[in-house]
Amino acid sequence: QKEVEQNSGPLSVPEGAIASLNCTYSDRGSQSFFWYRQYSGKSPELIMFIYSNGDKEDGRFTAQLNKASQYVSLLIRDSQPSDSATYLCAVNVDSWGKLQFGAGTQVVVTP
Amino acid sequence: EAQVTQNPRYLITVTGKKLTVTCSQNMNHEYMSWYRQDPGLGLRQIYYSMNVEVTDKGDVPEGYKVSRKEKRNFPLILESPSPNQTSLYFCASSLSGSSHNEQFFGPGTRLTVL
Repeated sequence: QKEVEQNSGPLSVPEGAIASLNCTYSDRGSQSFFWYRQYSGKSPELIMFIYSNGDKEDGRFTAQLNKASQYVSLLIRDSQPSDSATYLCAVNVDSWGKLQFGAGTQVVVTP
Repeated sequence: EAQVTQNPRYLITVTGKKLTVTCSQNMNHEYMSWYRQDPGLGLRQIYYSMNVEVTDKGDVPEGYKVSRKEKRNFPLILESPSPNQTSLYFCASSLSGSSHNEQFFGPGTRLTVL
């Protein structure tokens, strides 16, 4: 079974600080990596994807990928209460688009 | 509005009573998939469909069936539901079965089997 591991949290972050989320994966052949945000009782929504080693920035979000070490991370700068949610790491595990999800990290931004 | 819809959104049923959860997308997507989400286990794939001619098992297919007679619809069928199928179910679709395509999720169906 190909695995995707995340710390479950909760990760408590003061408003305005940086939230740092980590994800490790077992399949060395994975090519695509996704971060989804899921509010309680709602469906996952894509916030970032990354395919190449290095950093990718989109607004307050930065995804970082290191294929050699098999980890992908998400940074949330200037955290807001509206960022309080569970963040799911998803890794593509075959050429047909199958995603393997981590269990998610709960983030709580405190005013 | 581009979206994935699911019905019903909430369902309470009893063991053994056949049920169907519908899923429909209006984005002309080829790839569709069903997931269940349980606390601490994340999203696990039940079945997926590459196109109207191809469906296959995911990681947890036992107790479920699917069909893909039209591109837009991908219903999930529980022939004889059991309490261990109590879960939150999501349908998702993407443009095609490519490793780079984003999956769009429906709103979810919360199923309770008594």
